[in-house]
Amino acid sequence: QVQMVQPGTEVKKPGASVKVSCKASGYTFTSYGISWVRQAPGQGLEWLGWMSVYSGDTKYAQKFQGRITMTTDTSSNTAYMEVRNLRSDDTAIYYCARARGGHFSGDSYFYHAVDVWGQGTTVIVSS
Amino acid sequence: QAVVTQEPSLTVSPGGTVTLTCDSSTEPVTRGHYPCWFQQKPGQAPRTLIYETTNKHSWTPARFSGSLLGGRAALTLSGAQPEDEAEYFCLLSYGATWVFGGGTKLTVL
Repeated sequence: QVQMVQPGTEVKKPGASVKVSCKASGYTFTSYGISWVRQAPGQGLEWLGWMSVYSGDTKYAQKFQGRITMTTDTSSNTAYMEVRNLRSDDTAIYYCARARGGHFSGDSYFYHAVDVWGQGTTVIVSS
Repeated sequence: QAVVTQEPSLTVSPGGTVTLTCDSSTEPVTRGHYPCWFQQKPGQAPRTLIYETTNKHSWTPARFSGSLLGGRAALTLSGAQPEDEAEYFCLLSYGATWVFGGGTKLTVL
């Protein structure tokens, strides 16, 4: 079955970077995208961005542009998201999810849905 | 950026029917926003219920359905069960960009 496996917890100091991993299994990794979503304690879901594994195209939420980078390693079916210059308000659970379903806008393909979620990685930013 | 608004909380009786809605600040919600709905229980990751307005996954209980209603996306729960008590989030696509609603806390009581 489709699974997205994420490590449990990362603890970082303000100003540091974190690279969260998401190992996919049970499907052809390059046939879908990956999206990243975070949830601060007691808050709602916040979309960070998505990446096409096949083409390498990425789309980041404007708020995070310049501070996050999404990558994949197709040899290990693993997606990564790096967040740089961490602040205390970056403390959150970071989820990956398989992106599926998309539409063309001109020559560009945009994902618009996810199906299977990882269990999340808790990132704690504290001095 | 658009703001997506949901009812903060709703209550439904066991066996009852309730409709949650998802509104966009910039324009009426249409199929072109590809509305999705997610269920999240405390301490768990979200679970996708509905995608592309009305489509269900294999794991989506039949009592959940998605639609458009008066310029909003809607999630209807018919025959609520105690295990449906959860927070529900909608997601709208604006071209390449996605925006989540703030969530609706559904109580089954």
